[in-house]
Amino acid sequence: GAVVSQHPSWVICKSGTSVKIECRSLDFQATTMFWYRQFPKQSLMLMATSNEGSKATYEQGVEKDKFLINHASLTLSTLTVTSAHPEDSSFYICSAGDGTSDYNEQFFGPGTRLTVL
Amino acid sequence: GQNIDQPTEMTATEGAIVQINCTYQTSGFNGLFWYQQHAGEAPTFLSYNVLDGLEEKGRFSSFLSRSKGYSYLLLKELQMKDSASYLCAVKDSNYQLIWGAGTKLIIKP
Repeated sequence: GAVVSQHPSWVICKSGTSVKIECRSLDFQATTMFWYRQFPKQSLMLMATSNEGSKATYEQGVEKDKFLINHASLTLSTLTVTSAHPEDSSFYICSAGDGTSDYNEQFFGPGTRLTVL
Repeated sequence: GQNIDQPTEMTATEGAIVQINCTYQTSGFNGLFWYQQHAGEAPTFLSYNVLDGLEEKGRFSSFLSRSKGYSYLLLKELQMKDSASYLCAVKDSNYQLIWGAGTKLIIKP
């Protein structure tokens, strides 16, 4: 199956700093990638849909100025958490589809655990 | 609104069979997915149903009834490594995935 990587796998930062998370599709091209956030014991929450070469589509309630998404190429999307605060501490997961399966299966990256002190 | 319901937690014994149910109310339906997620890891794909009936894949099977808005994931010959959360997700009329909260499955020896 298709492989999606994320970097870093975990990060600890001070409140007020910015953190960038990278999501890469390693062996396929992804015109669309998805960014999710998951708090402990809760389900995945879609934050935004990242489209190569255009602006991301954000879900209701997600601040686009705080969570900056850049889909620079067909294999790379980045999520930058700006001016991070402790309430932004969460598990951030990206996913992408290679568009070859009938049901457009999403392949998930391993996730990035963000802790803001 | 859109809603997906699954039990919060289930417990089963190693070697046994367990069925995890999922009911959904969504605006449109374009398929139902089951994913497995181990603690601290990302979800991995298990199965996909778009037509009514049973899809079997090794020890795991998934069933769908569109008229009832209902699906279940059946796990046979349970192993300790099957301890994980199982997520039900439905693709709605806009092809957006709507996620359930997940069912934490605990396997006991």
